[in-house]
Amino acid sequence: DGGITQSPKYLFRKEGQNVTLSCEQNLNHDAMYWYRQDPGQGLRLIYYSQIVNDFQKGDIAEGYSVSREKKESFPLTVTSAQKNPTAFYLCASSPQTGPYGYTFGSGTRLTVV
Amino acid sequence: GESVGLHLPTLSVQEGDNSIINCAYSNSASDYFIWYKQESGKGPQFIIDIRSNMDKRQGQRVTVLLNKTVKHLSLQIAATQPGDSAVYFCAERGQAGTALIFGKGTTLSVSS
Repeated sequence: DGGITQSPKYLFRKEGQNVTLSCEQNLNHDAMYWYRQDPGQGLRLIYYSQIVNDFQKGDIAEGYSVSREKKESFPLTVTSAQKNPTAFYLCASSPQTGPYGYTFGSGTRLTVV
Repeated sequence: GESVGLHLPTLSVQEGDNSIINCAYSNSASDYFIWYKQESGKGPQFIIDIRSNMDKRQGQRVTVLLNKTVKHLSLQIAATQPGDSAVYFCAERGQAGTALIFGKGTTLSVSS
């Protein structure tokens, strides 16, 4: 079955560490996205990619980095520069950045300890 | 900047009632709108979408209404069931080639 997989489901990070969240899709979608969700809040866009080897910053890109070396994969690195990284991170994909609904992964909950 | 908002953060209904969840958007150039349902600890699930050249679209037990004059979007759920309890988000696409912008969400609670 086609879908989008995020791993790990839960992640704990020490202060000052970088961590990488994985996102893989087998839907043959061109576009992929990363959103951050805080309790009681909507989804805020971190980065998105419309095509391999290209990506654009979203509204809250500071302290995050991404890569898009393969169509299927769009990993997100939360760097030590991100001051408040504890949140629920959601990855999504769509056929293109046109008028299409997104397919979301099940999310990664990152906690700083 | 562009933003999508919701009129009420919470909505409580009885099982069997019809639910209406509202959303206001600010960008008159937005051409595509979606409603998502998110259950606790899970990723959002697509419910229904509508393009700006339409006023209404129906799915199974759900209807989305778009009023471009007042920049208002609503989701109607018929015969609401306990399994409909979740957070509902509206989202808009403001410009071609950009990502969806999400509102803050409305928590729907259905009591039996």
